[in-house]
Amino acid sequence: GENVEQHPSTLSVQEGDSAVIKCTYSDSASNYFPWYKQELGKRPQLIIDIRSNVGEKKDQRIAVTLNKTAKHFSLHITETQPEDSAVYFCAASRRRRALTFGSGTRLQVQP
Amino acid sequence: DVKVTQSSRYLVKRTGEKVFLECVQDMDHENMFWYRQDPGLGLRLIYFSYDVKMKEKGDIPEGYSVSREKKERFSLILESASTNQTSMYLCASTQSSTSVNEQFFGPGTRLTVL
Repeated sequence: GENVEQHPSTLSVQEGDSAVIKCTYSDSASNYFPWYKQELGKRPQLIIDIRSNVGEKKDQRIAVTLNKTAKHFSLHITETQPEDSAVYFCAASRRRRALTFGSGTRLQVQP
Repeated sequence: DVKVTQSSRYLVKRTGEKVFLECVQDMDHENMFWYRQDPGLGLRLIYFSYDVKMKEKGDIPEGYSVSREKKERFSLILESASTNQTSMYLCASTQSSTSVNEQFFGPGTRLTVL
C-alpha cells in the first residue's frame, strides 16, 4: 500500500524566515497531494493541494511543489508569522478517494 | 459550510467495554473515513465507506468495525476496548466525484481506555 514519509518532525524558525517541509510517497498511482494544518486542539484543515498534472501551486505565502519522477512534494511557507505555528500534515491519494497521511511536522515560529 | 460532527469530544471507557463513536456530516458526501491520531504517527486510516452499507479496511482495522446505515452517519465500533486503543479519533468526509477532493474533518473524540 501507499507509504508517505514526512520530514522534519519538528521545525523552529524565526518570524519572517521561510519554512520547508518535505514528503515522499511510494505509490506512483497517487495523483492528489494535499497539505493540512492542525492548530492546537483543533481539527485538521486543508491549506493547499496539488494534482499530479501540475508541478507547482502558490497561494499567497504558501506554495507546494511536486516532483513526480522522484515521488516527492514539498510545502514552502515564506515570511512566516507566529500564527503559522501548528502541526502540518502532507498526504497522498489512494484508492476510493482515501488518503495516506505523513507523520506530521510541528512548526514553531519564534517572534 | 461543510459540517462534520462527532458524538463526543471526550470519552472514558473501561477495558472490555463496547464503544461506539458516531460521526455525522450534513453535506450529502458519499465518502466517510475514520482515522486515529497518535503523536509522531500522524493520521492513520482505520476504515472508510464509499456508499451506504459499503465499507473498506484501512491500514489499521484490527479491533475495530464500522457501520454505515445512512448516508450522513458513519459509526466506529470498538468491540472490546483495550488500553492500546486510547487515542484521538477523527472522522472525515468528502464528496464523490471523478477526482479526489478535500476531506473535511470532525472535531475529534479523545478516547481514554482504562
